[in-house]
Amino acid sequence: QVQLVESGGGVVQPGRSLRLSCAASGFTFSSYDIHWVRQAPGKGLEWVVFISYDGSNKYYADSVKGRFTISRDNSKNTLYLQMDSLRPEDTAVYYCARGGFPWGQGTLVTVSS
Amino acid sequence: EIVLTQSPGTLSLSPGERATLSCRASQSVSNRYLAWYQQKPGQAPRLLIFGASARATGIPDRFSGSGSGTDFTLTISRLEPEDFAVYYCQQYGSSLWTFGQGTKVEIK
Repeated sequence: QVQLVESGGGVVQPGRSLRLSCAASGFTFSSYDIHWVRQAPGKGLEWVVFISYDGSNKYYADSVKGRFTISRDNSKNTLYLQMDSLRPEDTAVYYCARGGFPWGQGTLVTVSS
Repeated sequence: EIVLTQSPGTLSLSPGERATLSCRASQSVSNRYLAWYQQKPGQAPRLLIFGASARATGIPDRFSGSGSGTDFTLTISRLEPEDFAVYYCQQYGSSLWTFGQGTKVEIK
């Protein structure tokens, strides 16, 4: 079955960096576009970033543009989200997702001093 | 960017009643790439419907989705106690996904 498992979350100070990973299984990872979505505590769902199946196209939400970088390693069936210059408002559960498929449990990122 | 507007914001109903949730898009959603999610406190969103009307694996048939273009509906035919939750619609037809703000279905 299609499965995406996020990892790498934790507590980090404002201005610091963190890298999230998303391990894929159950499908041909290299054939599919993938997104990151986040949900701040008590808030709705916010789309963060898109990467095309081959990594050639990437689109970012304005709220993270210039600070977050998405990448993928199709040989390892893994997606990455490099998050730099983190702000308290980046505190959220982060999910990687494929359109029309169930999501994983996400990974919690807390930005706090 | 496609803006999704869900209504109502809150739906107060009793178990056994029918729930009708609306999701309206600011422009046509391509290929009916519209999904519905259910979320309970402390849990990840659970996919209910994809492609506007296809039930995800393991979803009871009391959940149904309909619509096309800019107007979509999620119907829960008879509310069970476990159905009281927040529901989100999502369009995934473009590279920039968008979500509705959510409809909370609460016990009356």
